[in-house]
Amino acid sequence: EIVLTQSPGTLSLSPGERATLSCRASQSVSSYLAWYQQNPGQAPRLLISGASTRAAGIPDRFSGSGSGTDFTLTISRLEPEDFAVYYCQQYSGSLLFGQGTKLEI
Amino acid sequence: EVQLLESGGGLVQPGGSLRLSCAASGFTFSSYAMSWVRQAPGEGLEWVSAISGSGFRTYYADSVKGRFTVSRDNSKNTLYFQMNSLRAEDTAVYYCAKGGCGYDGVCSHFDYWGQGNLVTVSS
Repeated sequence: EIVLTQSPGTLSLSPGERATLSCRASQSVSSYLAWYQQNPGQAPRLLISGASTRAAGIPDRFSGSGSGTDFTLTISRLEPEDFAVYYCQQYSGSLLFGQGTKLEI
Repeated sequence: EVQLLESGGGLVQPGGSLRLSCAASGFTFSSYAMSWVRQAPGEGLEWVSAISGSGFRTYYADSVKGRFTVSRDNSKNTLYFQMNSLRAEDTAVYYCAKGGCGYDGVCSHFDYWGQGNLVTVSS
């Protein structure tokens, strides 16, 4: 069974800074990896699929990279609305979310 | 515009049953797998069930297998989740989501989500 591990658990940064979030799979998921953003009280929103393809309407400050077991979500210049919880999800023959990274000011 | 509108949540006693519904619009419903994802209070996301576009293949997480049943009515563009033998640990916001695993076992990400429906299991 695949396990997804996100790090760090909490990331404290300031607006304008660069954020780097990690997601590691216990076995290869190829590029079947998505990233979601969730604000309090709201449903998750798809940011990235296929490890690096931005979803419609997602600003280009969000980028995804990686393949196999190691993936990264980068937010180049943090805006106030970017402070939220981020989840990775693998869909390589099964469905599983990571435990999340909280991005806080 | 894709919309997923959930209904049917609420308070239920342990051992009880509840059925969630998710009315879909804005896309060809029968062409897409659909899923249920839940989130316990203060916790992360947990995928719990998926159904192929045709409805002929279903998938469940071990935590709900044998107690919950996913189904769909493509003539009504509606997804259902029958939850039986409910436990306190099933307390969560339940989201329906577009995406999941198809009849051939190929899985996808979730590109649209409903607003979520709170299910509380308590005496």
